[in-house]
Amino acid sequence: GENVEQHPSTLSVQEGDSAVIKCTYSDSASNYFPWYKQELGKRPQLIIDIRSNVGEKKDQRIAVTLNKTAKHFSLHITETQPEDSAVYFCAAYWAAGNKLTFGGGTRVLVKP
Amino acid sequence: ETGVTQSPTHLIKTRGQQVTLRCSSQSGHNTVSWYQQALGQGPQFIFQYYREEENGRGNFPPRFSGLQFPNYSSELNVNALELDDSALYLCASSSGPGGGTDTQYFGPGTRLTVL
Repeated sequence: GENVEQHPSTLSVQEGDSAVIKCTYSDSASNYFPWYKQELGKRPQLIIDIRSNVGEKKDQRIAVTLNKTAKHFSLHITETQPEDSAVYFCAAYWAAGNKLTFGGGTRVLVKP
Repeated sequence: ETGVTQSPTHLIKTRGQQVTLRCSSQSGHNTVSWYQQALGQGPQFIFQYYREEENGRGNFPPRFSGLQFPNYSSELNVNALELDDSALYLCASSSGPGGGTDTQYFGPGTRLTVL
């Protein structure tokens, strides 16, 4: 079945350091892998996404890498800032059922 | 912030009751997806509507049903509420031919508590 595992569940980093979150997916997910950031009490917001025709995508301090052979993708945040503190969710799309399946989330805390 | 809105913000119901949640999609979007987010977990896909037709469904029982209207707004109905239905219900709108690969923009959610 469709499943996305996300690690770690919590991540504490010092301001200025990098944060890395990893996700693996089961079976043959489709070609779309978004990442969302959810601050406490707020809606999830798309921060970056990647499609299977590329292996890496970067947007300022955020980058995502995708390895379809190994069925995993990762989010990299460089030069972390206190405002990066939030819960981050990865997701993968399955064409059967038009289903976007989310990981369990990673709570990131950036310490000043 | 996105242009996706949801109502009500909070709702308290008792077990066995029925509830209707509403979502207005962002201007120009024709697809609405609904998710259930339990505390401390990721959103779980309930179903998706594209141009008034259901075109995808997750692992939720039939007592979870929905509608999409000609203006692309949508409703989520839950019958025979159970305690485990307590969660944040999120809708997300997107544009395109339907499917999960179009960027989805979330609404603020409706917090449902079942007592």
